[in-house]
Amino acid sequence: DQQVKQNSPSLSVQEGRISILNCDYTNSMFDYFLWYKKYPAEGPTFLISISSIKDKNEDGRFTVFLNKSAKHLSLHIVPSQPGDSAVYFCAANSLTGANNLFFGTGTRLTVIP
Amino acid sequence: DTAVSQTPKYLVTQMGNDKSIKCEQNLGHDTMYWYKQDSKKFLKIMFSYNNKELIINETVPNRFSPKSPDKAHLNLHINSLELGDSAVYFCASSQGADSDTQYFGPGTRLTVL
Repeated sequence: DQQVKQNSPSLSVQEGRISILNCDYTNSMFDYFLWYKKYPAEGPTFLISISSIKDKNEDGRFTVFLNKSAKHLSLHIVPSQPGDSAVYFCAANSLTGANNLFFGTGTRLTVIP
Repeated sequence: DTAVSQTPKYLVTQMGNDKSIKCEQNLGHDTMYWYKQDSKKFLKIMFSYNNKELIINETVPNRFSPKSPDKAHLNLHINSLELGDSAVYFCASSQGADSDTQYFGPGTRLTVL
């Protein structure tokens, strides 16, 4: 049972434009959400996170939006750069439970120069 | 200076063999994890280990056993390897059991023939 879902396996965006990566979750106990970026042959690298008490968190070109009622979050990258090309994983966990992250299957972002 | 390292990077072995994957972190973290990424790219928690407390994902076969000689290491031992064990295994660590940011190793690609 996949509790975190990324329904778009891939996304292509022109350099300089906005990239929007989406993630949905089913477990209402999740209260902390993270995005990881993964290059080939490397482990996932933490990018940005958001707790359920917020609906937006921004860090430079990266912004994560959380819609708790819809159990949906999204990662916006503006402006997109070729170096952003990677696989992006959404992850979630419950702060009151064991610190086990539940991951989506990832979205491969390709930024076209 | 690698924060979380794994050896070997690639491991090819025959069915029925016993093998180990080593993981070391130099971040001074208290909690370490093992994840399995299967052929569908689904990253799933296998174990978390904090201060000698092991939390096991109940779906993990008992052929898999984590061993922690000290706080900086969490090795994964796999007995009687099966074809379905072929996957990429990621080690990760975090500051504490309540810390949500996990730092990942580069992964070990295990192929069982």
